[in-house]
Amino acid sequence: QSVLTQPPSVSAAPGQKVTISCSGSSSNIGATYVSWYQQLPGAAPKLLIYENNKRPSGIPDRFSGSKSGTSATLAVTGLQTGDEADYYCGTWDVSLRTDVFGGGTKLTVL
Amino acid sequence: QVQLQESGPGLGKPSETLSLTCTVSGGSINNRDYYWGWIRQPPGKGLEFIGGVYYSGDTYYNPSLKSRVTLSVDTSKNQFSLSLTSVTAADTAVYYCARRRADLNWFDPWGQGTLVTVSS
Repeated sequence: QSVLTQPPSVSAAPGQKVTISCSGSSSNIGATYVSWYQQLPGAAPKLLIYENNKRPSGIPDRFSGSKSGTSATLAVTGLQTGDEADYYCGTWDVSLRTDVFGGGTKLTVL
Repeated sequence: QVQLQESGPGLGKPSETLSLTCTVSGGSINNRDYYWGWIRQPPGKGLEFIGGVYYSGDTYYNPSLKSRVTLSVDTSKNQFSLSLTSVTAADTAVYYCARRRADLNWFDPWGQGTLVTVSS
C-alpha cells in the first residue's frame, strides 16, 4: 500500500476538465511540497508540477496543481488524447525520512 | 541539459546481488543543490522510491529496502550506483535513476529506465 492515496483511474471527454486527488497525512503532504509526474505509455516519468503548483518550462498551463492541508490535486483542462497517461504524486515523509509516491492514476480520455 | 542513463545487467538470479550504474551527462554530479536517486517500477505497478545519494556520499533509503540497498557515488566518473542484495522475483522491475533537488522534493530529469528481471 502506498503512503499517498490516489484514485486508480479517472476519465473524461476531450476538451473537458479532470482532477486527480492525492491524499496523505500531516507527516508528508501536510508537512512539505508536493510534486506530480506524468508517465506516458512505455516512457519514463516526467516532472509535471513541483512545489505544489509550479510548472517546469515546457509544461502547458492546462496542467495545474494545488494543495490544501494533507491533500493535493492535479487539474488538467482542455483534455487531449495525448494526455492519456499515468499520473503520480510525490513528496517527502518526515516520519519515514524518505521520498514517497502515490499509487498512480490512469487518465483515460474518452 | 542534464541527462541520465542507467546501465547494468538485465537479468539476475535469486539470492544474487543486483548492481546498476547511472551516468550523468550535461552537468556535474558534484553539485550541492542535488541528490541523485533510484526509483523502481514493477511491471504494471506504481513507482517505489529506493534511495538517494549526495555528491559527498551521504545517503538515505526507503526503510522497506534499507537492509538490502547500498548507494554510492563516483564523482570522477560522474556516476552513481545501486547495489541490491538477496534479490527475489519481487525485485523484477524497471529501475530509474533521477536527479532530486536537495532541499525540495522533486525529481527531474529521469533516465529512460532499465528493466531488470530476476529469474532462475
